[in-house]
Amino acid sequence: DVKVTQSSRYLVKRTGEKVFLECVQDMDHENMFWYRQDPGLGLRLIYFSYDVKMKEKGDIPEGYSVSREKKERFSLILESASTNQTSMYLCASSLDISGNTIYFGEGSWLTVV
Amino acid sequence: GESVGLHLPTLSVQEGDNSIINCAYSNSASDYFIWYKQESGKGPQFIIDIRSNMDKRQGQRVTVLLNKTVKHLSLQIAATQPGDSAVYFCAENPNTGFQKLVFGTGTRLLVSP
Repeated sequence: DVKVTQSSRYLVKRTGEKVFLECVQDMDHENMFWYRQDPGLGLRLIYFSYDVKMKEKGDIPEGYSVSREKKERFSLILESASTNQTSMYLCASSLDISGNTIYFGEGSWLTVV
Repeated sequence: GESVGLHLPTLSVQEGDNSIINCAYSNSASDYFIWYKQESGKGPQFIIDIRSNMDKRQGQRVTVLLNKTVKHLSLQIAATQPGDSAVYFCAENPNTGFQKLVFGTGTRLLVSP
């Protein structure tokens, strides 16, 4: 089975703090994604990566950056956390770009106070 | 732009009934569709997928039907169980080259004993 692991399930951070959310997948997938999920808005794509050191902006990249130094690891960075970034963050991966299933991690609940 | 919607925000059924969850999509170029189940506090879990060259696909207790003429997708769950209670949402791949799935906001399925 595909395993997408988000190391932090619950975080509380202060406004202005730098926040790192880490994600690791164990299936040698090419693609990795970061989404945020908010009530009534569904899943929105923040950033994705289709190869090591490659990244592409999703639909809502403002206030976020990402890092993919190794194939299995994709990090989401909030340079200066704000209260409107309180959300559930979901990491995901897929084999390649040819329309394969995207598998999700368990999510990271971030509260910014 | 593309959109994926759901007809019913909440569906309540009795244990043992069959459940049908519907989804409308707007992009006729979409070539791949996925149904996910998301339990409270957890990440989305893959249930079943279907490609646009198929009309029907069956899994264990679940069936997905695709009607490309009216751009409609449905998930049928047979003999619904309390453990099926969750939010279900569909996703479409609008075939833009980088697998940027478009997600619906979800339907909550409530199963009563």
